[in-house]
Amino acid sequence: GENVEQHPSTLSVQEGDSAVIKCTYSDSASNYFPWYKQELGKRPQLIIDIRSNVGEKKDQRIAVTLNKTAKHFSLHITETQPEDSAVYFCAASIFWGGSQGNLIFGKGTKLSVKP
Amino acid sequence: GAVVSQHPSRVICKSGTSVKIECRSLDFQATTMFWYRQFPKQSLMLMATSNEGSKATYEQGVEKDKFLINHASLTLSTLTVTSAHPEDSSFYICSAVRGLAGARTDTQYFGPGTRLTVL
Repeated sequence: GENVEQHPSTLSVQEGDSAVIKCTYSDSASNYFPWYKQELGKRPQLIIDIRSNVGEKKDQRIAVTLNKTAKHFSLHITETQPEDSAVYFCAASIFWGGSQGNLIFGKGTKLSVKP
Repeated sequence: GAVVSQHPSRVICKSGTSVKIECRSLDFQATTMFWYRQFPKQSLMLMATSNEGSKATYEQGVEKDKFLINHASLTLSTLTVTSAHPEDSSFYICSAVRGLAGARTDTQYFGPGTRLTVL
Protein backbone atom coordinates (compact mmCIF):
# COMPACT_ATOMS: atom_id res chain seq x y z
CA GLY A 1 0.00 0.00 0.00
CA GLU A 2 0.84 3.67 -0.10
CA ASN A 3 3.34 5.05 2.38
CA VAL A 4 3.93 8.76 2.93
CA GLU A 5 7.04 10.08 4.62
CA GLN A 6 7.14 13.67 5.87
CA HIS A 7 10.12 15.78 6.99
CA PRO A 8 10.99 17.52 9.16
CA SER A 9 8.89 16.56 12.16
CA THR A 10 9.48 19.96 13.73
CA LEU A 11 10.43 23.26 12.12
CA SER A 12 11.14 26.57 13.79
CA VAL A 13 11.53 29.76 11.75
CA GLN A 14 11.66 33.48 12.38
CA GLU A 15 8.71 35.56 11.35
CA GLY A 16 9.12 36.65 7.75
CA ASP A 17 11.31 33.70 6.78
CA SER A 18 10.22 30.90 4.49
CA ALA A 19 9.31 27.39 5.59
CA VAL A 20 9.55 24.25 3.48
CA ILE A 21 8.07 20.86 4.33
CA LYS A 22 8.79 17.84 2.18
CA CYS A 23 6.94 14.60 1.60
CA THR A 24 7.66 11.49 -0.39
CA TYR A 25 5.22 8.82 -1.43
CA SER A 26 5.70 5.25 -2.51
CA ASP A 27 2.85 4.44 -4.88
CA SER A 28 3.34 5.90 -8.34
CA ALA A 29 -0.42 5.58 -8.92
CA SER A 30 -1.14 8.33 -6.36
CA ASN A 31 -2.54 11.30 -8.18
CA TYR A 32 -3.87 13.72 -5.57
CA PHE A 33 -1.79 15.45 -2.90
CA PRO A 34 -3.46 17.75 -0.37
CA TRP A 35 -1.89 19.63 2.51
CA TYR A 36 -3.72 20.17 5.77
CA LYS A 37 -3.13 22.58 8.63
CA GLN A 38 -4.24 21.47 12.07
CA GLU A 39 -4.26 23.69 15.11
CA LEU A 40 -4.30 22.10 18.53
CA GLY A 41 -7.56 20.30 19.22
CA LYS A 42 -9.14 21.38 15.96
CA ARG A 43 -9.99 19.77 12.67
CA PRO A 44 -7.51 19.57 9.79
CA GLN A 45 -8.10 22.36 7.33
CA LEU A 46 -7.23 21.96 3.67
CA ILE A 47 -4.84 24.73 2.71
CA ILE A 48 -3.75 23.70 -0.76
CA ASP A 49 -3.78 20.64 -2.98
CA ILE A 50 -2.21 19.53 -6.22
CA ARG A 51 -3.06 16.90 -8.78
CA SER A 52 -0.61 14.80 -10.71
CA ASN A 53 -1.15 16.64 -13.96
CA VAL A 54 0.30 19.83 -12.47
CA GLY A 55 3.85 20.51 -11.32
CA GLU A 56 3.25 23.56 -9.17
CA LYS A 57 0.40 25.47 -7.62
CA LYS A 58 0.43 28.72 -5.71
CA ASP A 59 -2.06 30.50 -3.51
CA GLN A 60 -0.78 33.77 -2.08
CA ARG A 61 1.98 32.87 0.43
CA ILE A 62 1.53 29.13 0.00
CA ALA A 63 2.83 27.01 -2.84
CA VAL A 64 3.12 23.30 -3.50
CA THR A 65 5.44 21.59 -5.94
CA LEU A 66 5.20 18.04 -7.22
CA ASN A 67 7.89 15.89 -8.80
CA LYS A 68 6.19 12.75 -10.07
CA THR A 69 9.41 11.14 -11.25
CA ALA A 70 11.00 11.41 -7.83
CA LYS A 71 7.67 10.87 -6.08
CA HIS A 72 7.97 13.82 -3.79
CA PHE A 73 6.04 16.99 -3.16
CA SER A 74 6.73 20.00 -1.01
CA LEU A 75 4.88 22.78 0.76
CA HIS A 76 6.41 26.24 0.68
CA ILE A 77 5.23 29.04 2.96
CA THR A 78 6.75 32.45 2.37
CA GLU A 79 6.75 35.48 4.66
CA THR A 80 5.71 33.33 7.60
CA GLN A 81 3.56 34.82 10.34
CA PRO A 82 2.97 33.67 13.92
CA GLU A 83 -0.52 32.50 12.95
CA ASP A 84 1.07 30.02 10.57
CA SER A 85 2.19 28.07 13.64
CA ALA A 86 0.41 24.70 13.57
CA VAL A 87 0.91 21.09 12.59
CA TYR A 88 0.94 20.52 8.85
CA PHE A 89 0.09 17.18 7.28
CA CYS A 90 0.73 16.08 3.74
CA ALA A 91 -1.32 13.30 2.23
CA ALA A 92 -1.56 11.20 -0.89
CA SER A 93 -4.54 9.62 -2.52
CA ILE A 94 -5.26 7.33 -5.42
CA PHE A 95 -8.31 7.97 -7.49
CA TRP A 96 -9.57 5.08 -9.55
CA GLY A 97 -12.68 3.85 -11.32
CA GLY A 98 -14.81 6.76 -10.20
CA SER A 99 -14.22 5.92 -6.54
CA GLN A 100 -12.81 8.41 -4.11
CA GLY A 101 -9.45 7.28 -2.78
CA ASN A 102 -8.72 7.39 0.91
CA LEU A 103 -6.01 9.71 2.13
CA ILE A 104 -2.75 8.38 3.50
CA PHE A 105 -1.21 10.99 5.77
CA GLY A 106 2.34 11.82 6.61
CA LYS A 107 3.28 12.01 10.29
CA GLY A 108 3.02 15.77 10.40
CA THR A 109 5.33 18.74 10.86
CA LYS A 110 5.00 21.06 13.79
CA LEU A 111 5.79 24.53 12.52
CA SER A 112 6.64 27.25 15.00
CA VAL A 113 6.98 30.83 13.77
CA LYS A 114 8.79 33.05 16.26
CA PRO A 115 7.88 36.73 16.32
CA GLY B 1 -20.04 25.68 1.94
CA ALA B 2 -18.74 22.13 2.55
CA VAL B 3 -19.39 22.05 6.29
CA VAL B 4 -19.05 18.80 8.20
CA SER B 5 -20.26 18.47 11.77
CA GLN B 6 -19.67 15.86 14.41
CA HIS B 7 -21.59 15.08 17.54
CA PRO B 8 -20.73 14.88 20.32
CA SER B 9 -17.55 16.94 20.50
CA ARG B 10 -16.53 15.30 23.76
CA VAL B 11 -17.70 12.19 25.52
CA ILE B 12 -16.60 10.49 28.71
CA CYS B 13 -17.90 7.01 29.36
CA LYS B 14 -17.32 4.04 31.59
CA SER B 15 -15.45 0.98 30.39
CA GLY B 16 -17.78 -1.53 28.77
CA THR B 17 -20.32 0.94 27.46
CA SER B 18 -20.97 1.82 23.84
CA VAL B 19 -20.61 5.26 22.33
CA LYS B 20 -22.11 6.54 19.08
CA ILE B 21 -20.53 9.37 17.14
CA GLU B 22 -22.39 11.11 14.33
CA CYS B 23 -20.84 12.73 11.28
CA ARG B 24 -23.00 14.96 9.11
CA SER B 25 -22.38 16.85 5.92
CA LEU B 26 -24.51 19.95 6.41
CA ASP B 27 -24.65 21.56 3.00
CA PHE B 28 -23.72 18.84 0.56
CA GLN B 29 -24.29 15.19 -0.17
CA ALA B 30 -21.46 12.82 0.57
CA THR B 31 -21.51 9.37 -0.93
CA THR B 32 -18.26 8.62 0.84
CA MET B 33 -17.20 9.43 4.37
CA PHE B 34 -14.02 8.42 6.14
CA TRP B 35 -13.34 7.78 9.80
CA TYR B 36 -9.93 8.57 11.28
CA ARG B 37 -8.38 8.14 14.66
CA GLN B 38 -5.74 10.49 16.00
CA PHE B 39 -3.61 9.97 19.09
CA PRO B 40 -1.98 12.96 20.77
CA LYS B 41 0.80 14.48 18.70
CA GLN B 42 0.37 11.86 16.03
CA SER B 43 -1.00 11.72 12.53
CA LEU B 44 -4.46 10.74 11.37
CA MET B 45 -4.88 7.02 10.89
CA LEU B 46 -7.63 5.89 8.57
CA MET B 47 -9.97 3.44 10.26
CA ALA B 48 -12.59 2.82 7.62
CA THR B 49 -14.26 4.07 4.48
CA SER B 50 -17.99 4.48 4.67
CA ASN B 51 -20.11 4.39 1.53
CA GLU B 52 -23.77 5.25 1.57
CA GLY B 53 -25.97 2.19 1.29
CA SER B 54 -23.19 -0.38 1.55
CA LYS B 55 -20.93 -1.96 4.12
CA ALA B 56 -17.93 -0.03 5.33
CA THR B 57 -14.44 -0.99 4.28
CA TYR B 58 -12.13 -1.34 7.26
CA GLU B 59 -8.39 -0.87 7.28
CA GLN B 60 -6.15 -3.67 8.36
CA GLY B 61 -6.05 -4.05 12.11
CA VAL B 62 -9.35 -2.27 12.75
CA GLU B 63 -11.98 -4.52 14.31
CA LYS B 64 -15.23 -4.13 12.43
CA ASP B 65 -17.25 -5.66 15.27
CA LYS B 66 -15.84 -3.13 17.69
CA PHE B 67 -16.13 -0.06 15.50
CA LEU B 68 -19.54 -0.27 13.86
CA ILE B 69 -20.10 2.10 10.97
CA ASN B 70 -23.44 2.92 9.44
CA HIS B 71 -23.89 5.24 6.48
CA ALA B 72 -27.66 5.40 6.25
CA SER B 73 -28.02 8.52 4.17
CA LEU B 74 -26.04 10.84 1.92
CA THR B 75 -25.51 13.23 4.80
CA LEU B 76 -24.99 11.00 7.83
CA SER B 77 -22.50 8.39 8.91
CA THR B 78 -22.22 7.01 12.43
CA LEU B 79 -19.38 5.31 14.25
CA THR B 80 -20.27 3.22 17.29
CA VAL B 81 -17.48 2.17 19.60
CA THR B 82 -18.83 -0.94 21.25
CA SER B 83 -17.74 -2.14 24.69
CA ALA B 84 -15.31 0.73 24.95
CA HIS B 85 -12.10 0.32 26.93
CA PRO B 86 -9.50 2.89 28.07
CA GLU B 87 -7.27 2.07 25.10
CA ASP B 88 -10.07 3.28 22.81
CA SER B 89 -9.65 6.78 24.23
CA SER B 90 -8.68 8.96 21.30
CA PHE B 91 -9.67 11.78 18.99
CA TYR B 92 -12.00 10.48 16.29
CA ILE B 93 -12.41 12.58 13.15
CA CYS B 94 -14.65 12.01 10.18
CA SER B 95 -14.36 13.49 6.74
CA ALA B 96 -16.73 13.70 3.82
CA VAL B 97 -15.97 13.85 0.16
CA ARG B 98 -17.78 16.54 -1.74
CA GLY B 99 -18.63 15.38 -5.21
CA LEU B 100 -19.66 18.02 -7.65
CA ALA B 101 -22.30 17.11 -10.20
CA GLY B 102 -20.65 15.80 -13.33
CA ALA B 103 -17.17 16.07 -11.82
CA ARG B 104 -14.92 13.98 -9.68
CA THR B 105 -13.10 15.36 -6.72
CA ASP B 106 -10.93 14.06 -3.96
CA THR B 107 -11.35 17.02 -1.65
CA GLN B 108 -12.13 15.81 1.84
CA TYR B 109 -13.70 18.09 4.39
CA PHE B 110 -13.13 17.21 7.99
CA GLY B 111 -15.45 17.32 10.93
CA PRO B 112 -14.33 19.02 14.16
CA GLY B 113 -13.58 15.71 15.82
CA THR B 114 -14.86 13.86 18.89
CA ARG B 115 -12.66 13.38 21.91
CA LEU B 116 -13.51 10.09 23.57
CA THR B 117 -12.31 9.33 27.07
CA VAL B 118 -13.04 5.89 28.47
CA LEU B 119 -12.64 5.59 32.22
